[in-house]
Amino acid sequence: QVQLQESGPGLVTPSGTLSLTCAVSGDSFSSDNWWSWVRQPPGKGLEWIGESHHSEGSNYNPSLKSRVSVSIDKSKNQFSLQLSSLTAADTAVYYCARSPNFCYCLDVWGQGTTVTVSS
Amino acid sequence: EIVLTQSPGTLSLSPGERATLSCRASQSVSSDFLAWYQQKPGQAPRLLIYGASSRATGIPARFSGSGSGTDFTLTISRLEPEDFALYYCLQYDRPPKYTFGQGTKLEIK
Repeated sequence: QVQLQESGPGLVTPSGTLSLTCAVSGDSFSSDNWWSWVRQPPGKGLEWIGESHHSEGSNYNPSLKSRVSVSIDKSKNQFSLQLSSLTAADTAVYYCARSPNFCYCLDVWGQGTTVTVSS
Repeated sequence: EIVLTQSPGTLSLSPGERATLSCRASQSVSSDFLAWYQQKPGQAPRLLIYGASSRATGIPARFSGSGSGTDFTLTISRLEPEDFALYYCLQYDRPPKYTFGQGTKLEIK
């Protein structure tokens, strides 16, 4: 059973950089899956941030591309999100998710971690 | 950029009734690229349907997806109490990017 678990700071300062990690169990980065980050501001809808593959590189939401990086650490079986130049609008629940090779979808999700941008 | 519009915004029904949720795309979308999710308060979204009509593992048969081109539908044949939640559609586009609809809230009447 594949499980994802996000971790990282719950509070970050404006203009700073957010770093989150997603630990993966029950799957490996040698498989032909993509690994994504999605966020959800309080009371609002879902926004895809970006994704990474162990050999195909990374893709990002054009609206965030200048501020975001998604990377994979195969040795630790985890992947990470970095989001820079933070503002209050980046306050959200951040989810990590898997895009499997059998669909263009996100089939397994972490439980989410709440990030607040505030001084 | 393809925009997904879900309707209605809120759907009020009773247990046992049939629910029909709509997701309309601003441009034609391949059926392979359309999925549906259920989200309950404080929980991550759960994949229901992928490829417009394929049920994900463990999803009850009362959930079904259909549609093509710009119009897609999620149908719940007979509502159970646990089905009242938020529902989102998701589409994949090229260059690689996922876009969600704004959601439909299914509430108990």
